[in-house]
Amino acid sequence: EMVMTQSPATLSVSPGERATLSCRASQSVSSNLAWYQQKPGQAPRLLIYGASTRATGIPARFSGSGSGTEFTLTISSLQSEDFAVYYCHHYNNWPPLLTFGGGTKVEIK
Amino acid sequence: QVQLQQWGAGLLKPSETLSLTCAVYGESFSGYYWSWIRQPPGKGLEWIGEIIHSGSTNYNPSLKSRVTISVDTSKNQFSLRLSSVTAADTAVYYCARMKWLRPYYYYYMDVWGKGTTVTVSS
Repeated sequence: EMVMTQSPATLSVSPGERATLSCRASQSVSSNLAWYQQKPGQAPRLLIYGASTRATGIPARFSGSGSGTEFTLTISSLQSEDFAVYYCHHYNNWPPLLTFGGGTKVEIK
Repeated sequence: QVQLQQWGAGLLKPSETLSLTCAVYGESFSGYYWSWIRQPPGKGLEWIGEIIHSGSTNYNPSLKSRVTISVDTSKNQFSLRLSSVTAADTAVYYCARMKWLRPYYYYYMDVWGKGTTVTVSS
């Protein structure tokens, strides 16, 4: 069974600073990993797919890296609108199963 | 621009059946997986299952015995039924479109509904 582990659970960062979020897969997923941002009361929003490709309209301060089992989402200079919860996601197409990480909350320091 | 509009009953009693529908506007129904995801209060995201236009479905094994996802391609809609609900099924339920990046088969959910809050209480 695939397990996606995100760390840390909470990240306290000052505006303008860099934030680095981690997602670890229990087995290799190649680059089949996506990242989402969720703000309170809103649906998740796609940020990154294929581990490193920004989705349409996502600012360049968001970047994704990694492959295999270790992945990173970096926010280069945090803006006020970036304080949110971030989830990683992997979909295995056989047997079909979609797994989310537990999330990292990025809060204002 | 693709939009997903979802609706359904928001308050259920234990043992009842949850029923939600998601309508797809502005895009063809074929060529994608159409998914349901839920989020209990204060918790993370859980995949429920998915369907494609042919009606083929995949479900989360933890919910499979209680879940049915169906499609009405004539209306560009897909629906979720979850039977025998308990308080543990209280959550915000989202519908979403899943795409994949060819030829690598990297999957991602790029369009989401706004969510429907479902509360199970006696």
